Amino acid sequence: DAGITQSPRHKVTETGTPVTLRCHQTENHRYMYWYRQDPGHGLRLIHYSYGVKDTDKGEVSDGYSVSRSKTEDFLLTLESATSSQTSVYFCAISSGAPGETIYFGEGSWLTVV
Amino acid sequence: GENVEQHPSTLSVQEGDSAVIKCTYSDSASNYFPWYKQELGKGPQLIIDIRSNVGEKKDQRIAVTLNKTAKHFSLHITETQPEDSAVYFCAAPNDYKLSFGAGTTVTVRA
Repeated sequence: DAGITQSPRHKVTETGTPVTLRCHQTENHRYMYWYRQDPGHGLRLIHYSYGVKDTDKGEVSDGYSVSRSKTEDFLLTLESATSSQTSVYFCAISSGAPGETIYFGEGSWLTVV
Repeated sequence: GENVEQHPSTLSVQEGDSAVIKCTYSDSASNYFPWYKQELGKGPQLIIDIRSNVGEKKDQRIAVTLNKTAKHFSLHITETQPEDSAVYFCAAPNDYKLSFGAGTTVTVRA
């Protein structure tokens, strides 16, 4: 298994509160990604990073921000959580050329009540 | 950007039979097509991939075929077993990312 650790693995939070999910990798890979998974929508990219302090938006970035201050850590923040952000969040890393050979973490289950 | 469509959304097969999942993509420049398997409560795991310079790749009971002219690729699972029950995703490159199909839930009946 790729060395990816997500935390927390499960979280319940209230609407309007900020939430931060953390992804930590031990592979020293340049590219890191945050995806969300919802029934009927598969995996959709939220944000990704191509280096320290280098990030870009994915297809569903509204309401989310990210930061990458170290190669090994990629943080996803929900500034003010909404019920529509209840989802499973997956961090992923890329071992090869951009967009190729992506490996996923085990996921973070977030419920916004 | 790349658009990936995956069919069927659900697939039920008798143990020992074959399963086939098909995906189409839109960008003719795409050159890498991975398949992922996701078991309940876990993250997607890469099970096989194919690059555009080959038409077929096999790994034990799993094979992937690619038709670049028609822009579609397929996953074939032979001699299905209960442990093959999972959600399967296809994907194709989209700039520096991957675009995923919506997934196929495969159920292997004993």
